[in-house]
Amino acid sequence: GENVEQHPSTLSVQEGDSAVIKCTYSDSASNYFPWYKQELGKRPQLIIDIRSNVGEKKDQRIAVTLNKTAKHFSLHITETQPEDSAVYFCAASKTGFQKLVFGTGTRLLVSP
Amino acid sequence: GAGVSQSPRYKVTKRGQDVALRCDPISGHVSLYWYRQALGQGPEFLTYFNYEAQQDKSGLPNDRFSAERPEGSISTLTIQRTEQRDSAMYRCASSFKREGQTQYFGPGTRLLVL
Repeated sequence: GENVEQHPSTLSVQEGDSAVIKCTYSDSASNYFPWYKQELGKRPQLIIDIRSNVGEKKDQRIAVTLNKTAKHFSLHITETQPEDSAVYFCAASKTGFQKLVFGTGTRLLVSP
Repeated sequence: GAGVSQSPRYKVTKRGQDVALRCDPISGHVSLYWYRQALGQGPEFLTYFNYEAQQDKSGLPNDRFSAERPEGSISTLTIQRTEQRDSAMYRCASSFKREGQTQYFGPGTRLLVL
């Protein structure tokens, strides 16, 4: 089955810096890759997603890139703010299989 | 509109008891998913439904776990003869269509088996 690995497990940055979180997946048939942000005690919330027919997608300070050949995708957050502090999860799914397979999460801490 | 809701939010039970966890998806959402999330970990898939049909139950840990969605809306996840290892956050999610659509998560039910 699909396996998603996520790195780093923790990431500390100063406010205003950029943060990058990377995920790799094992199943080349995977074609949908969402990113969720989970604040302490809250539910996971989608922040951005990308499909395999697109190499990059941006939404204000957040961007996701996908390299299908290498089977990895990354989340980029620019001009980080303290409110970006949370746990971020990547996930993958494929056609015919609606379930999401999640990575192990990255705890991002943005210091003022 | 209202998001995904789950009840109860917290459940404390004794080992050996049965528990039923309820999920009320976003109105009109075709697909409903159950995940289990251990502390500090990502959600782990359990099962999902399209309308009332259970499409994939490969993630259910054993036959003590079952789920139903009889009218294609509210779903119940039942755990029989609970064990301490069942303690976790159980999350429900729903999506409007089927594949590749945003899954919206509920607040979860925190289950503690003593």
